[in-house]
Amino acid sequence: GAGVSQSPSNKVTEKGKDVELRCDPISGHTALYWYRQSLGQGLEFLIYFQGNSAPDKSGLPSDRFSAERTGGSVSTLTIQRTQQEDSAVYLCASSLLWTGGNNEQFFGPGTRLTVL
Amino acid sequence: TQLLEQSPQFLSIQEGENLTVYCNSSSVFSSLQWYRQEPGEGPVLLVTVVTGGEVKKLKRLTFQFGDARKDSSLHITAAQPGDTGLYLCGGSQGNLIFGKGTKLSVKP
Repeated sequence: GAGVSQSPSNKVTEKGKDVELRCDPISGHTALYWYRQSLGQGLEFLIYFQGNSAPDKSGLPSDRFSAERTGGSVSTLTIQRTQQEDSAVYLCASSLLWTGGNNEQFFGPGTRLTVL
Repeated sequence: TQLLEQSPQFLSIQEGENLTVYCNSSSVFSSLQWYRQEPGEGPVLLVTVVTGGEVKKLKRLTFQFGDARKDSSLHITAAQPGDTGLYLCGGSQGNLIFGKGTKLSVKP
């Protein structure tokens, strides 16, 4: 596709419910990242996928958060038993390859999650 | 834990003024990127700097990477309302570490 897409753009849920957020990376990009951004703040790294390697889950804030990437393309971030502090914008990014140097990432528009 | 600190956190200026935003760390990065984010959108890459001491210009924006590759600055000349947004720096050392950003408002 032309860019990274995310769905839904907005999600309102009740505390305790599970949510799934989807990311479609740029075609051919081997690396995919999830970040969380609280209102007007910087980006908090959550998880990173590169090819068929085991994902880097070091940023996941609790075991209620998980993510998978199927077929090396689409990724789903799942938050179980949502809490109000989970409310944020969840951003997905992809990059062409993991160079360890010029890690230029292309971001989607994000999913705004509101937990009531 | 690596930390990237950006300053100032907020900046409100009049159209036509110049400004500089700073990104500092105690860690060395193999590269550093600047992004601009508008409300409701994802960050958009402006530039990547790789070499210590490197200077890159993008129209009215000048980016500099410190000699030791620990810090960077973004200078905007003659700011315009269209420059308004959240400016984020991200340092690469394996993963990409982001600062909290500088929220710039340029008033006409």
